[in-house]
Amino acid sequence: AQSVTQLGSHVSVSEGALVLLRCNYSSSVPPYLFWYVQYPNQGLQLLLKYTTGATLVKGINGFEAEFKKSETSFHLTKPSAHMSDAAEYFCAVSGLSGGYQKVTFGTGTKLQVIP
Amino acid sequence: DAGVTQSPTHLIKTRGQQVTLRCSPKSGHDTVSWYQQALGQGPQFIFQYYEEEERQRGNFPDRFSGHQFPNYSSELNVNALLLGDSALYLCASKTGLGNYEQYFGPGTRLTVT
Repeated sequence: AQSVTQLGSHVSVSEGALVLLRCNYSSSVPPYLFWYVQYPNQGLQLLLKYTTGATLVKGINGFEAEFKKSETSFHLTKPSAHMSDAAEYFCAVSGLSGGYQKVTFGTGTKLQVIP
Repeated sequence: DAGVTQSPTHLIKTRGQQVTLRCSPKSGHDTVSWYQQALGQGPQFIFQYYEEEERQRGNFPDRFSGHQFPNYSSELNVNALLLGDSALYLCASKTGLGNYEQYFGPGTRLTVT
């Protein structure tokens, strides 16, 4: 079984401030972890992913996330928020089971950037 | 190279009616998954198609059915629509069942009145 918990359904930051979106997961198999961004009335766009290897992964638009196995976390950060970062962000976990990749999404965190 | 496309963009139906949503996968992709995203929620997995067969299914009733065609495109059918079926329906495609990386389409917004 696997699950994802995103702490904070809404996060507000000032333009230029640090963005920190929290994600904790549970998985019975080695997880693959993802962050997706969704702009209003659009589909999901992959920001970054962790599969194996380096635990700090860099994605598009200046975002990065660190896989911490001991904390079962995969928090998303960006040093300086931009107005265009305002969107909803989803953390997801994927695990291989019986030859299939099963993907579970969190409930999302809506990021507001204040000018 | 076109990504994942879905049609229609928006749809309004009445309770009890049936609806068909369509998805064309990204070029080179052979596996299609469907997700339901209710307002304020994350996407919920409905089912996945590969080689024209349903391979995985989430916790959705039999009112939700699908099909995959030889060209890998797919349809999602929902019968006996309920108000609670109102959601954004997302299609995602990838290569092979074991691959973890999938690409999402823009979705179809279904409103049931």
